Amino acid sequence: DTAVSQTPKYLVTQMGNDKSIKCEQNLGHDTMYWYKQDSKKFLKIMFSYNNKELIINETVPNRFSPKSPDKAHLNLHINSLELGDSAVYFCASSQGPNVDTQYFGPGTRLTVL
Amino acid sequence: GQQVMQIPQYQHVQEGEDFTTYCNSSTTLSNIQWYKQRPGGHPVFLIQLVKSGEVKKQKRLTFQFGEAKKNSSLHITATQTTDVGTYFCAVIGSSNTGKLIFGQGTTLQVKP
Repeated sequence: DTAVSQTPKYLVTQMGNDKSIKCEQNLGHDTMYWYKQDSKKFLKIMFSYNNKELIINETVPNRFSPKSPDKAHLNLHINSLELGDSAVYFCASSQGPNVDTQYFGPGTRLTVL
Repeated sequence: GQQVMQIPQYQHVQEGEDFTTYCNSSTTLSNIQWYKQRPGGHPVFLIQLVKSGEVKKQKRLTFQFGEAKKNSSLHITATQTTDVGTYFCAVIGSSNTGKLIFGQGTTLQVKP
Protein backbone atom coordinates (compact mmCIF):
# COMPACT_ATOMS: atom_id res chain seq x y z
CA ASP A 1 0.00 0.00 0.00
CA THR A 2 1.27 3.45 -0.93
CA ALA A 3 1.93 5.55 2.18
CA VAL A 4 1.42 9.00 0.64
CA SER A 5 -0.43 9.16 -2.65
CA GLN A 6 -1.17 12.07 -4.96
CA THR A 7 -3.44 12.49 -7.93
CA PRO A 8 -2.96 13.25 -10.68
CA LYS A 9 0.66 12.38 -11.42
CA TYR A 10 0.74 14.68 -14.43
CA LEU A 11 -1.36 17.75 -15.09
CA VAL A 12 -1.14 19.78 -18.31
CA THR A 13 -3.40 22.77 -18.58
CA GLN A 14 -3.82 26.19 -20.11
CA MET A 15 -3.06 29.50 -18.45
CA GLY A 16 -6.02 30.90 -16.58
CA ASN A 17 -7.55 27.52 -15.72
CA ASP A 18 -8.30 26.30 -12.20
CA LYS A 19 -7.00 22.91 -11.10
CA SER A 20 -6.78 20.76 -7.99
CA ILE A 21 -4.26 18.22 -6.74
CA LYS A 22 -5.28 15.65 -4.14
CA CYS A 23 -3.16 14.00 -1.49
CA GLU A 24 -3.90 11.17 0.90
CA GLN A 25 -1.77 9.46 3.52
CA ASN A 26 -2.51 6.15 5.23
CA LEU A 27 0.24 6.42 7.84
CA GLY A 28 -2.00 7.81 10.56
CA HIS A 29 0.09 11.00 10.65
CA ASP A 30 -1.22 14.25 12.08
CA THR A 31 0.72 16.67 9.89
CA MET A 32 0.68 17.14 6.13
CA TYR A 33 2.59 19.49 3.83
CA TRP A 34 2.68 20.88 0.33
CA TYR A 35 6.04 21.59 -1.32
CA LYS A 36 6.87 23.11 -4.68
CA GLN A 37 9.95 21.91 -6.57
CA ASP A 38 11.07 24.14 -9.41
CA SER A 39 13.03 23.24 -12.53
CA LYS A 40 16.31 23.66 -10.61
CA LYS A 41 15.11 21.07 -8.08
CA PHE A 42 14.77 23.66 -5.32
CA LEU A 43 12.24 22.39 -2.76
CA LYS A 44 10.18 24.98 -0.92
CA ILE A 45 7.48 24.53 1.68
CA MET A 46 4.15 26.10 0.81
CA PHE A 47 1.64 24.98 3.42
CA SER A 48 1.27 22.65 6.35
CA TYR A 49 -1.73 21.37 8.27
CA ASN A 50 -1.74 19.70 11.64
CA ASN A 51 -4.97 17.90 12.52
CA LYS A 52 -6.79 19.89 9.85
CA GLU A 53 -5.47 23.20 11.18
CA LEU A 54 -3.25 25.40 9.00
CA ILE A 55 0.11 25.89 10.73
CA ILE A 56 2.43 26.93 7.93
CA ASN A 57 1.39 29.42 5.27
CA GLU A 58 4.43 30.63 3.38
CA THR A 59 4.48 33.60 1.04
CA VAL A 60 2.41 31.97 -1.65
CA PRO A 61 0.00 33.78 -4.02
CA ASN A 62 -3.55 33.58 -2.71
CA ARG A 63 -4.46 31.80 -5.95
CA PHE A 64 -3.21 28.73 -4.06
CA SER A 65 -5.65 27.43 -1.48
CA PRO A 66 -5.07 24.28 0.56
CA LYS A 67 -7.91 22.34 2.09
CA SER A 68 -7.79 19.55 4.63
CA PRO A 69 -11.13 17.76 4.95
CA ASP A 70 -9.64 15.37 7.50
CA LYS A 71 -6.15 14.67 8.78
CA ALA A 72 -5.52 11.99 6.15
CA HIS A 73 -6.19 14.30 3.23
CA LEU A 74 -4.70 17.57 2.06
CA ASN A 75 -5.73 19.03 -1.26
CA LEU A 76 -4.32 21.97 -3.17
CA HIS A 77 -6.48 24.13 -5.38
CA ILE A 78 -4.90 26.61 -7.76
CA ASN A 79 -6.91 29.36 -9.42
CA SER A 80 -6.03 31.28 -12.57
CA LEU A 81 -2.95 29.22 -13.36
CA GLU A 82 0.13 31.06 -14.61
CA LEU A 83 3.17 29.90 -16.54
CA GLY A 84 5.31 30.28 -13.42
CA ASP A 85 3.19 27.75 -11.58
CA SER A 86 4.72 24.98 -13.70
CA ALA A 87 6.62 22.77 -11.26
CA VAL A 88 6.44 19.49 -9.41
CA TYR A 89 4.23 19.67 -6.34
CA PHE A 90 4.94 17.22 -3.54
CA CYS A 91 2.68 16.33 -0.69
CA ALA A 92 4.33 15.02 2.46
CA SER A 93 3.30 13.91 5.92
CA SER A 94 4.89 13.47 9.31
CA GLN A 95 3.82 12.01 12.62
CA GLY A 96 3.61 15.44 14.21
CA PRO A 97 4.47 19.10 13.69
CA ASN A 98 7.95 18.91 15.11
CA VAL A 99 11.29 17.40 14.25
CA ASP A 100 10.04 14.33 12.45
CA THR A 101 10.78 12.36 9.35
CA GLN A 102 8.69 13.58 6.45
CA TYR A 103 7.29 11.07 3.98
CA PHE A 104 6.81 12.41 0.49
CA GLY A 105 4.24 11.48 -2.11
CA PRO A 106 5.25 10.69 -5.71
CA GLY A 107 4.67 14.26 -6.86
CA THR A 108 2.41 15.95 -9.39
CA ARG A 109 4.11 17.47 -12.40
CA LEU A 110 2.09 20.54 -13.38
CA THR A 111 2.70 22.09 -16.78
CA VAL A 112 0.94 25.34 -17.61
CA LEU A 113 0.87 26.20 -21.32
CA GLY B 1 15.17 33.42 8.00
CA GLN B 2 16.99 30.16 8.38
CA GLN B 3 19.09 29.24 5.36
CA VAL B 4 21.39 26.40 4.55
CA MET B 5 23.94 26.39 1.74
CA GLN B 6 24.71 23.10 0.04
CA ILE B 7 27.66 22.43 -2.26
CA PRO B 8 28.47 21.36 -4.85
CA GLN B 9 25.39 21.73 -7.01
CA TYR B 10 26.49 18.93 -9.35
CA GLN B 11 29.05 16.16 -9.16
CA HIS B 12 30.02 13.68 -11.86
CA VAL B 13 32.10 10.73 -10.72
CA GLN B 14 33.36 7.50 -12.17
CA GLU B 15 31.81 4.43 -10.61
CA GLY B 16 33.97 3.42 -7.68
CA GLU B 17 35.07 6.94 -6.81
CA ASP B 18 34.03 8.63 -3.60
CA PHE B 19 31.54 11.50 -3.33
CA THR B 20 30.89 14.15 -0.69
CA THR B 21 28.25 16.84 -0.36
CA TYR B 22 28.37 19.59 2.26
CA CYS B 23 25.80 21.73 4.01
CA ASN B 24 26.64 24.90 5.88
CA SER B 25 24.62 27.21 8.06
CA SER B 26 25.51 30.57 9.59
CA THR B 27 23.51 29.69 12.70
CA THR B 28 23.66 26.77 15.09
CA LEU B 29 21.30 24.01 14.08
CA SER B 30 19.19 21.88 16.41
CA ASN B 31 19.46 19.00 13.98
CA ILE B 32 19.86 18.23 10.29
CA GLN B 33 18.18 15.72 8.04
CA TRP B 34 19.33 14.20 4.75
CA TYR B 35 17.07 13.12 1.89
CA LYS B 36 17.73 11.41 -1.44
CA GLN B 37 15.67 11.98 -4.57
CA ARG B 38 16.18 9.58 -7.46
CA PRO B 39 15.64 10.98 -10.99
CA GLY B 40 11.91 11.31 -11.55
CA GLY B 41 11.24 10.30 -7.96
CA HIS B 42 10.40 11.93 -4.67
CA PRO B 43 12.59 12.83 -1.69
CA VAL B 44 13.19 9.92 0.66
CA PHE B 45 14.43 10.38 4.21
CA LEU B 46 17.89 8.98 4.85
CA ILE B 47 18.89 10.08 8.33
CA GLN B 48 18.68 12.70 11.04
CA LEU B 49 21.67 13.99 13.02
CA VAL B 50 21.16 15.67 16.36
CA LYS B 51 24.33 15.61 18.44
CA SER B 52 27.42 17.75 18.03
CA GLY B 53 30.14 15.81 16.20
CA GLU B 54 27.77 12.93 15.48
CA VAL B 55 28.80 10.41 12.83
CA LYS B 56 26.38 7.84 11.48
CA LYS B 57 26.91 5.20 8.83
CA GLN B 58 24.54 3.42 6.50
CA LYS B 59 26.53 0.89 4.47
CA ARG B 60 28.67 3.04 2.13
CA LEU B 61 27.11 6.33 3.31
CA THR B 62 28.68 8.29 6.17
CA PHE B 63 26.88 11.26 7.67
CA GLN B 64 28.60 13.79 9.89
CA PHE B 65 27.37 16.70 12.01
CA GLY B 66 29.95 19.35 12.81
CA GLU B 67 31.16 20.04 16.32
CA ALA B 68 29.62 23.50 16.24
CA LYS B 69 26.40 22.11 14.71
CA LYS B 70 26.68 24.54 11.82
CA ASN B 71 27.67 22.12 9.09
CA SER B 72 27.11 18.59 7.94
CA SER B 73 28.38 16.27 5.26
CA LEU B 74 27.32 13.14 3.45
CA HIS B 75 30.12 10.95 2.10
CA ILE B 76 29.59 8.00 -0.20
CA THR B 77 32.43 5.52 -0.51
CA ALA B 78 32.96 3.70 -3.81
CA THR B 79 29.92 5.07 -5.63
CA GLN B 80 27.65 2.78 -7.60
CA THR B 81 25.18 3.62 -10.36
CA THR B 82 22.38 3.12 -7.85
CA ASP B 83 23.67 6.16 -5.95
CA VAL B 84 22.58 8.45 -8.79
CA GLY B 85 20.17 11.16 -7.65
CA THR B 86 19.94 14.45 -5.81
CA TYR B 87 20.92 14.60 -2.16
CA PHE B 88 19.34 17.27 0.01
CA CYS B 89 20.10 18.40 3.50
CA ALA B 90 17.22 19.93 5.42
CA VAL B 91 17.04 21.91 8.62
CA ILE B 92 14.21 22.90 10.86
CA GLY B 93 13.01 26.43 10.26
CA SER B 94 10.48 26.37 13.05
CA SER B 95 10.47 23.68 15.72
CA ASN B 96 6.75 23.71 16.47
CA THR B 97 5.52 23.49 12.88
CA GLY B 98 7.88 20.98 11.28
CA LYS B 99 8.86 23.55 8.68
CA LEU B 100 11.85 22.12 6.84
CA ILE B 101 14.25 24.37 4.98
CA PHE B 102 15.98 22.40 2.24
CA GLY B 103 19.43 22.98 0.85
CA GLN B 104 19.75 23.48 -2.89
CA GLY B 105 20.66 19.83 -3.37
CA THR B 106 23.66 18.10 -4.90
CA THR B 107 22.94 16.09 -8.03
CA LEU B 108 25.22 13.08 -8.37
CA GLN B 109 25.88 11.43 -11.71
CA VAL B 110 27.84 8.16 -11.74
CA LYS B 111 29.52 6.99 -14.93
CA PRO B 112 29.71 3.20 -15.19
